[in-house]
Amino acid sequence: DSGVTQTPKHLITATGQRVTLRCSPRSGDLSVYWYQQSLDQGLQFLIQYYNGEERAKGNILERFSAQQFPDLHSELNLSSLELGDSALYFCASSVGASGILTDTQYFGPGTRLTVL
Amino acid sequence: EDQVTQSPEALRLQEGESSSLNCSYTVSGLRGLFWYRQDPGKGPEFLFTLYSAGEEKEKERLKATLTKKESFLHITAPKPEDSATYLCAVQAKGAQKLVFGQGTRLTINP
Repeated sequence: DSGVTQTPKHLITATGQRVTLRCSPRSGDLSVYWYQQSLDQGLQFLIQYYNGEERAKGNILERFSAQQFPDLHSELNLSSLELGDSALYFCASSVGASGILTDTQYFGPGTRLTVL
Repeated sequence: EDQVTQSPEALRLQEGESSSLNCSYTVSGLRGLFWYRQDPGKGPEFLFTLYSAGEEKEKERLKATLTKKESFLHITAPKPEDSATYLCAVQAKGAQKLVFGQGTRLTINP
């Protein structure tokens, strides 16, 4: 158990709908990262938040957005869903302080999103 | 652009048969190279971080090594419970995101 929690575990929805995925980081970690894992693309970085502020953006679609709340949990919002959005979505957390040598990212169990 | 290539894509071994997985990378200044293990439908589980060429780390039957262009994950006398997908990722200096390879799917037959 990494200490990172994600809910829900599974989500089945229809095209055009909107869903929210939730992540709670490990105790003490300030950074949260979201990754998408699909069969053809592998694990792809979407976005990072550090202590409530967006820090880095990867290949995140405009239909997707995220935020990190004062209690450090994070939500990933996916809207106008398409079939191709079906994937595993992982949240990871780390201490996040810049300049430290070891800043390992620990991953949650993931949310499996199926868009029908 | 930072890139990670893992080989082979899949590897099937008999229990006790040692082997190595390869991770080749190109990165604009390496901050760290990470190895993770992922079981089907689960999140990646952290194994090792390597920071500089020549560094080695060990954990049970696994040993990770690093050169300036690639990393190897050596598996000695593997057991069926070592079956999983092994992921390699790099983190560039000044960045915190991880860039992952496609993984090597390892199967150990009893």
